[in-house]
Amino acid sequence: DADVTQTPRNRITKTGKRIMLECSQTKGHDRMYWYRQDPGLGLRLIYYSFDVKDINKGEISDGYSVSRQAQAKFSLSLESAIPNQTALYFCATTSGNEQFFGPGTRLTVL
Amino acid sequence: QKEVEQDPGPLSVPEGAIVSLNCTYSNSAFQYFMWYRQYSRKGPELLMYTYSSGNKEDGRFTAQVDKSSKYISLFIRDSQPSDSATYLCAMSVESSASKIIFGSGTRLSIRP
Repeated sequence: DADVTQTPRNRITKTGKRIMLECSQTKGHDRMYWYRQDPGLGLRLIYYSFDVKDINKGEISDGYSVSRQAQAKFSLSLESAIPNQTALYFCATTSGNEQFFGPGTRLTVL
Repeated sequence: QKEVEQDPGPLSVPEGAIVSLNCTYSNSAFQYFMWYRQYSRKGPELLMYTYSSGNKEDGRFTAQVDKSSKYISLFIRDSQPSDSATYLCAMSVESSASKIIFGSGTRLSIRP
């Protein structure tokens, strides 16, 4: 079984809809991250969490919110999706400087 | 100016060639340097990790860091079609960094 899993893997939604992307990990790491990946822009950090009670904004947090339900679970929400949030979203956990990424969620906002 | 610059490619080379992938950066505080490999429809995975200046070799892969020039490289010897992927450089200030800054990635294709 994969160490970092993301659901759904693909999602198409409409402008204005609320969307939740979920991430689970079995690695036992405290730190979890959400990134988005766009062509030519690489990976950009949305939010990160050092433990259940610690949530931090990344460089592009506007329009997003997160919830750390447990050490193993970290969810990303788009309260009102807009087309420029169309991207590939990755969840990751960290041990030292190594990040372990999930398989990604491809989100399309029409 | 981005903190980390990476040529997006695509780069196409014949099987067996030596590949050179590069990144430049502007933040002189970066101390830890990484290369991630990302296959299509997969998440990135750590390939090489180096600290400060110098070379590090792992099989067919060599990571090189030149802090004086703010320049890092990844060399792939005897390239194989299975090396076809996007390669992202990444760097951080501290060893257990809360934030790792990624380059935009170079797409590499190895022709059989």
